[in-house]
Amino acid sequence: QKEVEQNSGPLSVPEGAIASLNCTYSDRGSQSFFWYRQYSGKSPELIMSIYSNGDKEDGRFTAQLNKASQYVSLLIRDSQPSDSATYLCAGSGGSNYKLTFGKGTLLTVNP
Amino acid sequence: DVKVTQSSRYLVKRTGEKVFLECVQDMDHENMFWYRQDPGLGLRLIYFSYDVKMKEKGDIPEGYSVSREKKERFSLILESASTNQTSMYLCASRTMNTEAFFGQGTRLTVV
Repeated sequence: QKEVEQNSGPLSVPEGAIASLNCTYSDRGSQSFFWYRQYSGKSPELIMSIYSNGDKEDGRFTAQLNKASQYVSLLIRDSQPSDSATYLCAGSGGSNYKLTFGKGTLLTVNP
Repeated sequence: DVKVTQSSRYLVKRTGEKVFLECVQDMDHENMFWYRQDPGLGLRLIYFSYDVKMKEKGDIPEGYSVSREKKERFSLILESASTNQTSMYLCASRTMNTEAFFGQGTRLTVV
């Protein structure tokens, strides 16, 4: 079964620190990767998408993809209390419609 | 903006009832999905559909069925609701290799 695994957490960081969230995947055919943020009681919302090896930056967020190591990460710089949420990693294969999610990592940013 | 709308935010049903959860998307996406989300278990795929009248089982299809008669609408059916189907149900849609967009979720309680 194709799986996506996340470092289980929970993760707690002080305000202003860098939060690092990690994800590994088993399907070498996966081509598209996504990070979602989910606040308690709400539905997931997209933070970042990444399709090729390397880094992709968007404001305080940087996604990193290493297909050789089958590894995806999300860095949040200058973490804010409003970043406190569950972060979900997801992957999808090129010919596979399915989007497979990890179980999520709960991040708490302490003021 | 893509909009995915689920018919109910909260539902309470009795054991043995047939339950319908409706989902409509307005972006002409080919692929639609039903997930359930439970604490500690993450998002688990129940069924997905890649075209009108086409469906595939996900990871936990037992006790559920789906219907997709029109491209924009994907329905999840609980044939005979049971208490272990109490959960948050999330509908999503996407087109190939893009992110999934989620509805607001339906919190179903079976009593």
